[in-house]
Amino acid sequence: AQKITQTQPGMFVQEKEAVTLDCTYDTSDQSYGLFWYKQPSSGEMIFLIYQGSYDEQNATEGRYSLNFQKARKSANLVISASQLGDSAMYFCAMREGRGGGTSYGKLTFGQGTILTVHP
Amino acid sequence: GAGVSQSPRYKVAKRGQDVALRCDPISGHVSLFWYQQALGQGPEFLTYFQNEAQLDKSGLPSDRFFAERPEGSVSTLKIQRTQQEDSAVYLCASSFIRKETQYFGPGTRLLVL
Repeated sequence: AQKITQTQPGMFVQEKEAVTLDCTYDTSDQSYGLFWYKQPSSGEMIFLIYQGSYDEQNATEGRYSLNFQKARKSANLVISASQLGDSAMYFCAMREGRGGGTSYGKLTFGQGTILTVHP
Repeated sequence: GAGVSQSPRYKVAKRGQDVALRCDPISGHVSLFWYQQALGQGPEFLTYFQNEAQLDKSGLPSDRFFAERPEGSVSTLKIQRTQQEDSAVYLCASSFIRKETQYFGPGTRLLVL
């Protein structure tokens, strides 16, 4: 069974500083996808960044980058130059990779990390 | 273009009442997923549709939960004889095909009294 672990219930960062949110995963699949979503207090899940298991380069999207260490099974999110609007819950998620199986595509989420950005 | 929409945004139900939650996916998205998110937890998978076919319903917690997508677009999640433990946020997500990024709606917050 797939599992996602986010060990930081809460993180604090000063505005304009960088912050790393940890995510480790466990899977027996060779092909899988890793996602990070942001959930502000309004409740909507906002897609931030994606990393495929075969991607050789770490994914980047603007101020977001994913530090992918396959051997360690970690996929940490790095947010550079934090802004007050970054305060939210952040979820790491993994997509099952067995193409063609009925469960292919569904996401397994971690418990989330609450990020608070201080001015 | 429009994102995923869900209605109602909030629903209060008395225990034993039936409820229906609606999801309008992004136009052209073949795949549609339902998730349940308990307070303070990550979302958990409920069911998956590819067009009108329900290919995976392994996450539905009981036979009181039923989902449909009859024309391959709008989907409805129905909960019969609601119980207090059904109180949660129900999230709908769609993707062009199932291996692509899922985009989520705002969710329906269900409170069962």
